[in-house]
Amino acid sequence: GAGVSQSPSNKVTEKGKDVELRCDPISGHTALYWYRQRLGQGLEFLIYFQGNSAPDKSGLPSDRFSAERTGESVSTLTIQRTQQEDSAVYLCASSYASDTQYFGPGTRLTVL
Amino acid sequence: SQQGEEDPQALSIQEGENATMNCSYKTSINNLQWYRQNSGRGLVHLILIRSNEREKHSGRLRVTLDTSKKSSSLLITASRAADTASYFCATDAGANNLFFGTGTRLTVIP
Repeated sequence: GAGVSQSPSNKVTEKGKDVELRCDPISGHTALYWYRQRLGQGLEFLIYFQGNSAPDKSGLPSDRFSAERTGESVSTLTIQRTQQEDSAVYLCASSYASDTQYFGPGTRLTVL
Repeated sequence: SQQGEEDPQALSIQEGENATMNCSYKTSINNLQWYRQNSGRGLVHLILIRSNEREKHSGRLRVTLDTSKKSSSLLITASRAADTASYFCATDAGANNLFFGTGTRLTVIP
């Protein structure tokens, strides 16, 4: 595809449920990033993939958050036992090497 | 915090005027990037300036970088209503992630 895509675009879930967010990076981009943006705030780094491995998981806020990447392509961010404070827009970005990052449209997660 | 801080937080101008947004940061960087975010949409990369560059142009955009002051500015010339958006600076300190500020909300009045 021409750009980074994410699905779903919107997700409303009940507190305590698990959610999976998907990111399809730009073809050929080796690096993939997940960020979280709470309302009115800047982006918060979550995790970074180089290929299929994640050398930097330092931003994951708790053990309820996990992510994987397969085939050096699609990535899935999973949030278990969602809490209301998880409500945010989750943005995925990809880049070739560690240069300019290209962002997807984001997934807006609302935890009721 | 390594986050960039944008100034002003909000800016409202008439169409045709120039808009200037500033960004300050705290640590040494490899590069600094500016992004635009239209309401309800993802971020769009505008321009990247490396730490050894002082000024860069792209269309109606002009970015300056002063590493001695740890600051950058984004100038949008001859603004248009379509430029209405939030603008974020992001610093890349070489740790494979970007640190974003809270952004400047620009409103261009037709």
